[in-house]
Amino acid sequence: GQNIDQPTEMTATEGAIVQINCTYQTSGFNGLFWYQQHAGEAPTFLSYNVLDGLEEKGRFSSFLSRSKGYSYLLLKELQMKDSASYLCAVSHNSGNTPLVFGKGTRLSVIA
Amino acid sequence: KAGVTQTPRYLIKTRGQQVTLSCSPISGHRSVSWYQQTPGQGLQFLFEYFSETQRNKGNFPGRFSGRQFSNSRSEMNVSTLELGDSALYLCASSPRTANTEAFFGQGTRLTVV
Repeated sequence: GQNIDQPTEMTATEGAIVQINCTYQTSGFNGLFWYQQHAGEAPTFLSYNVLDGLEEKGRFSSFLSRSKGYSYLLLKELQMKDSASYLCAVSHNSGNTPLVFGKGTRLSVIA
Repeated sequence: KAGVTQTPRYLIKTRGQQVTLSCSPISGHRSVSWYQQTPGQGLQFLFEYFSETQRNKGNFPGRFSGRQFSNSRSEMNVSTLELGDSALYLCASSPRTANTEAFFGQGTRLTVV
């Protein structure tokens, strides 16, 4: 089976940096996705990590440690529009197995 | 390129009724997955189809079923609706394999009263 944990809620201040953690336990790990979901909207792709290390994409970065079963999403220079849920999802190495999602972290950015 | 389209966007049904939701994947995508999203449980996998075949099924009762047509469009059906079936139902498509980036539709918000 697969177990994915992430904090339920976080609050951060506009302009600040926030780190959202995701831990997972799974067999056949292939990679890890991060998605952003605004209220009432579809989840949208943010990042994908398959190798250990940090992937940077503008204000967003994602880190993966395969040996520790750990990932984080780093959001810099927070803006009000970053208020959303952030979902981590584990990809299995079997092509037939769909992504398994964590329950999501609801981030509130305050002034 | 058009995105994933789900219809209808909103539905209100009464207990005991059945409902059919539709999903049109991105053109050329052959894998279609369905998820149920609720505040308490997050995104839970229902089933995945590829070339009209169900390849994977989540841990949901038999009241939940689906199918995929030759043009990759997919439908899911829920029979004998229960209050607990109220949720956002999301469809996602992928080009080939289900373990790659999923492109989501806007979802169908189902309310059972």
